[in-house]
Formats: sequence, C-alpha cells, structure tokens
Amino acid sequence: GAVVSQHPSRVICKSGTSVKIECRSLDFQATTMFWYRQFPKQSLMLMATSNEGSKATYEQGVEKDKFLINHASLTLSTLTVTSAHPEDSSFYICSAEAGFQETQYFGPGTRLLVL
Amino acid sequence: GNSVTQMEGPVTLSEEAFLTINCTYTATGYPSLFWYVQYPGEGLQLLLKATKADDKGSNKGFEATYRKETTSFHLEKGSVQVSDSAVYFCALSPPGGGSQGNLIFGKGTKLSVKP
Repeated sequence: GAVVSQHPSRVICKSGTSVKIECRSLDFQATTMFWYRQFPKQSLMLMATSNEGSKATYEQGVEKDKFLINHASLTLSTLTVTSAHPEDSSFYICSAEAGFQETQYFGPGTRLLVL
Repeated sequence: GNSVTQMEGPVTLSEEAFLTINCTYTATGYPSLFWYVQYPGEGLQLLLKATKADDKGSNKGFEATYRKETTSFHLEKGSVQVSDSAVYFCALSPPGGGSQGNLIFGKGTKLSVKP
C-alpha cells in the first residue's frame, strides 16, 4: 500500500526555537496533504490542509504564522513550528491524499517536546 | 456540530474473544464513516468505511454497520488475535462532498489482546 513517512519521529527543542517536520509520500504523488495534532488521550485535530503549489488552508484557531506549511512538491510537505513554546508540545501527524476524495494515508507521527 | 464519541479504553481481551468497540456520531445529513487502526510505531491505516445508511464495511474480519437510526458505527470482530492489538479510531467525514481532509476523529480506543 501507499506509504507516508515523517521526519523526525521525535524532536526535543528549546523554547523559542523553530522546528521543521517533513512529510513525504514515498510511492505516490499527493495532491493534498493534511496536518493533524494529537494531544494525549485526545482526538486527532485537523490543523491545516495543503495543496501543492498553493497556500495552506488553516482550521479555525490555528495560527498560520506560527505553524508554517509548505507543500513544495507532490511528494513533500513541511510543517515548521516557529518560536516553539512548551504548550506546542504534542504529537503531529500528517496524511496524504492521492486524488480528490481518495483515501488518506497517514504518516507515523512526530512527537515534539519543547523545553 | 459534527463529532464522534467512542468508548474509552483500554480494552483487554483474551485471544479468540469477541470484540465490540462502540462509536456514535453527531452530524447533519449523511456523513461517511470510517474506522482507522494504528499499530504500534506506525501511522493510521484505513480499516473499513461506509458511505451511506445500512452499508456494512468489512476488512480483516472486522465489520461495522452504518446505523442512521442510532447514529452508530460500532466495530466488531468475532475472534480477535494478538496481532489485532492496536489503537482504533472512529471517524466521520461530513456530508456535502469535499476532501476526506475534513475527517473528525474519536479519541481512539486501545485494544490489547492477550494470548
């Protein structure tokens, strides 16, 4: 089946620094990629939707200047958490969709810890 | 608004036991309903889905029936195996078309199957 990878799988950073998380579709071209955030024992919450070559669409309450999303190619999307704070510590998951309304394929997630 | 409620875990069963994980939803109209599974260290995978009332999704021995009258999509398996140990997420995609990106997830139910 289709594979989506994320890098890094875990990252620890100091407060105030920026962290970049990569999401790659390994064996298919993803027209759309999604970024989710999951708090412990909570649901996955959609943060934003990105389409290759266009600006991401952010969900209500998600700061677009803090969570920068770049979908530079059909196989790569990046999420940059800028000026990270401890409250940004979470599990970030991406998914990729091969075509409109196609099945989403999820990455394994990235655990971010901000000290 | 749209929401998904699933039974809290963890659920611990012996091998070959019967499994039910309850899931109910709130949505206007007819959403599409999904069950995703996340094995340890891996990304979420689509397990099964149903797109209209009375549809039954099935895969790998798991089944779930879209019940409009009870707004439910309970996951069942007649005989679980140790390899079924994972976290199971119920999700819906709101009606009206659009990308699956509008997935709304339950909190997840961790299943542990003991030999």
